[in-house]
Amino acid sequence: RKEVEQDPGPFNVPEGATVAFNCTYSNSASQSFFWYRQDCRKEPKLLMSVYSSGNEDGRFTAQLNRASQYISLLIRDSKLSDSATYLCVVNEGQGGKLIFGQGTELSVKP
Amino acid sequence: DAGITQSPRHKVTETGTPVTLRCHQTENHRYMYWYRQDPGHGLRLIHYSYGVKDTDKGEVSDGYSVSRSKTEDFLLTLESATSSQTSVYFCAAQDPGSTDTQYFGPGTRLTVL
Repeated sequence: RKEVEQDPGPFNVPEGATVAFNCTYSNSASQSFFWYRQDCRKEPKLLMSVYSSGNEDGRFTAQLNRASQYISLLIRDSKLSDSATYLCVVNEGQGGKLIFGQGTELSVKP
Repeated sequence: DAGITQSPRHKVTETGTPVTLRCHQTENHRYMYWYRQDPGHGLRLIHYSYGVKDTDKGEVSDGYSVSRSKTEDFLLTLESATSSQTSVYFCAAQDPGSTDTQYFGPGTRLTVL
């Protein structure tokens, strides 16, 4: 079983749609959680951290359910520029080492 | 701009040859990491460093070695490249005690024929 699992997609949605990505992690002792964004052939960049209380940044909302070991990312009013691969990332608390999911590809169409 | 560069950006080499990839950072980050990214696997940690001359193995370290003689430089060496090491290699850097944010370099695309 992979330590961090995501639906690889691709998710093909029209502009303006709401899209949700899900992620599960296997280590219940994991301490911090993130969503990174990766554009084609580019480096990953931090999109947002994920907190137990849930957090929102503009059109993006991230949620964490520790009991179910589940992380989600909701994108509202999708833009063409949101097209990218979204990586679910977990820090298991071992000196900052991050565990990456394989990513979920999003394609937003006009 | 996280101040992380990688060189070379692209390299084609032959099986059995040694290859060294360089990561250079200008922000004095103490922690540095090397990852490889392959389809269906996401990013996997090869080696990491918590400071000068302080390195350790990651998840997929076989066939790779690293060195860190200066804070700003982290070198990844493939002693004898194999076709299975064809991949995109990313370097990352982080400060201890931060919010665990890792900043990535632009990547090196390595092809081993």
